[in-house]
Amino acid sequence: GESVGLHLPTLSVQEGDNSIINCAYSNSASDYFIWYKQESGKGPQFIIDIRSNMDKRQGQRVTVLLNKTVKHLSLQIAATQPGDSAVYFCAENRSGGSNYKLTFGKGTLLTVNP
Amino acid sequence: GAVVSQHPSRVICKSGTSVKIECRSLDFQATTMFWYRQFPKQSLMLMATSNEGSKATYEQGVEKDKFLINHASLTLSTLTVTSAHPEDSSFYICSANLGHHYGYTFGSGTRLTVV
Repeated sequence: GESVGLHLPTLSVQEGDNSIINCAYSNSASDYFIWYKQESGKGPQFIIDIRSNMDKRQGQRVTVLLNKTVKHLSLQIAATQPGDSAVYFCAENRSGGSNYKLTFGKGTLLTVNP
Repeated sequence: GAVVSQHPSRVICKSGTSVKIECRSLDFQATTMFWYRQFPKQSLMLMATSNEGSKATYEQGVEKDKFLINHASLTLSTLTVTSAHPEDSSFYICSANLGHHYGYTFGSGTRLTVV
């Protein structure tokens, strides 16, 4: 079935390094994608989003890349800090008539080593 | 920014009892809210879409008689887990849509433990 998935379930990096978290999606009709950060016991926190008419979007220390040809999404975190340790989810916004909903990928646990 | 307040943050209940979780939009009107369930080390799974003034739309496999959703006003949606059992123990999260392509805002979640 249609789904949003991740290539890497865990990622461990050294403080100061750049992190790249990947995500694959299968629904070519999805038009909006969001990356969330979730710390233990908390709700998802918005990081950055991108619309399907864009290939790249930058925020503060984060960049999202969208490759519609291969249905791939990535989140790049520059100069990763210990506070970045969390689970990261990509989410796919699917529109269906007047309804739309968000479908989450499996998540990647990012661990930043000091 | 738009904030969704979710309560309680944690609840422990006995098997067979019912638990109500509230989700309020604090500074905006949410005609649509979403309820998710998240088991340990897993992703968020959409349970239902809550529409103000109308019946909720449930995802396949989610029992509507067990997970009662009420969205009686533009700022409040509630999820009631009826006749809770230990397998209902999970992290429940609500979300509100801010308009298409304007993102979603999430509550802080409710940790339900059924003993």
